[in-house]
Amino acid sequence: SAVISQKPSRDICQRGTSLTIQCQVDSQVTMMFWYRQQPGQSLTLIATANQGSEATYESGFVIDKFPISRPNLTFSTLTVSNMSPEDSSIYLCSSIPVDTEAFFGQGTRLTVV
Amino acid sequence: AQTVTQSQPEMSVQEAETVTLSCTYDTSENNYYLFWYKQPPSRQMILVIRQEAYKQQNATENRFSVNFQKAAKSFSLKISDSQLGDTAMYFCAFLDTGRRALTFGSGTRLQVQP
Repeated sequence: SAVISQKPSRDICQRGTSLTIQCQVDSQVTMMFWYRQQPGQSLTLIATANQGSEATYESGFVIDKFPISRPNLTFSTLTVSNMSPEDSSIYLCSSIPVDTEAFFGQGTRLTVV
Repeated sequence: AQTVTQSQPEMSVQEAETVTLSCTYDTSENNYYLFWYKQPPSRQMILVIRQEAYKQQNATENRFSVNFQKAAKSFSLKISDSQLGDTAMYFCAFLDTGRRALTFGSGTRLQVQP
């Protein structure tokens, strides 16, 4: 199994600012995934982050808005840039380190005012 | 691209009774995995059960079991002897073994009534 520590757990931010969310895994993983969960909605994949290469973004998500870092095999960050109220969501990181069981961070509840 | 459909936005069940949550999916892949995840108000995603597409036998985990119909692309979750702690959002998810990323359904909010 794997444990993913995600922080912050929640934040309230002013529009126009940026927030960086961190995820730390207790084992080395090849891929990490970032999801957005808008209020009352399902999880939507933002991007896949591999160590040593640029993240791969899903349709509708761009690097300028959601820059991702992956400096090593246990850590990743997602930045939500130039925030607007529409960015208010839960953001989750995930990985599938062994076999096919996905592990998730605890989620970051972001409110933009 | 894969799609996952959950047609029941909300379900309610009495404590100790049985409830079935529906899920259908669409894919051209032959090897894949299907999951049910539970998300309580704490936001933590909890794996409930997993099914490998190449296995004909339906997965079972204690009170949770699935009815996997590969030809029909259906993957329902049965919860027996429902408990108050089962109250949560339930997401059906598909794993593309190539991309290694999960595709989620829209979710079913389950309320277990005392």
